[in-house]
Amino acid sequence: NAGVTQTPKFRILKIGQSMTLQCTQDMNHNYMYWYRQDPGMGLKLIYYSVGAGITDKGEVPNGYNVSRSTTEDFPLRLELAAPSQTSVYFCASSPPSSGGAYEQYFGPGTRLTVT
Amino acid sequence: AQSVTQLGSHVSVSEGALVLLRCNYSSSVPPYLFWYVQYPNQGLQLLLKYTSAATLVKGINGFEAEFKKSETSFHLTKPSAHMSDAAEYFCAVRPTQGAQKLVFGQGTRLTINP
Repeated sequence: NAGVTQTPKFRILKIGQSMTLQCTQDMNHNYMYWYRQDPGMGLKLIYYSVGAGITDKGEVPNGYNVSRSTTEDFPLRLELAAPSQTSVYFCASSPPSSGGAYEQYFGPGTRLTVT
Repeated sequence: AQSVTQLGSHVSVSEGALVLLRCNYSSSVPPYLFWYVQYPNQGLQLLLKYTSAATLVKGINGFEAEFKKSETSFHLTKPSAHMSDAAEYFCAVRPTQGAQKLVFGQGTRLTINP
């Protein structure tokens, strides 16, 4: 099992450019998440998905879009990059709750700089 | 809404000393609680979790945490710090019902002095 994989590891964007951050998990998890991590701020939820075809906004969704066409993949799209989107982005997945406290499994992160 | 507060953004201890990282949660009912560790330039890794089965929870690498409902706390401890424990630690809360979303604290960076 590779777990949760993210590409790219690093990226520098110019203001106004677009890009897609890729996330794939091979654990057949229903739930997938995108977070951003800024220094001293912890992790903030951007979007999440409870299964293929179903997505919902998290705490900080503005400037981002997601889609979930398969169980394995959950790409995050930045349409018009802004300096405020400079951050480290983490993808995570977890199995369905079913009354259990299933933890989230995290990818290694993508470090994005917008200049 | 649920929230988590980690007291101290930076904690520094000597090697061999007790590690205590504080976490308080805000919730009307006891939630699920988690501690994650993040080593430099890596993703988050689960240390331990509270699921109401036992108030004292043991995790990996010698860490443990105690759930105290009366204090709404879930502090993380390790009796003897090791240099390899240097990392950032995050406390997180999730409701036992409803959406399976975590709310994270702001993190505590642990430094170990030789």
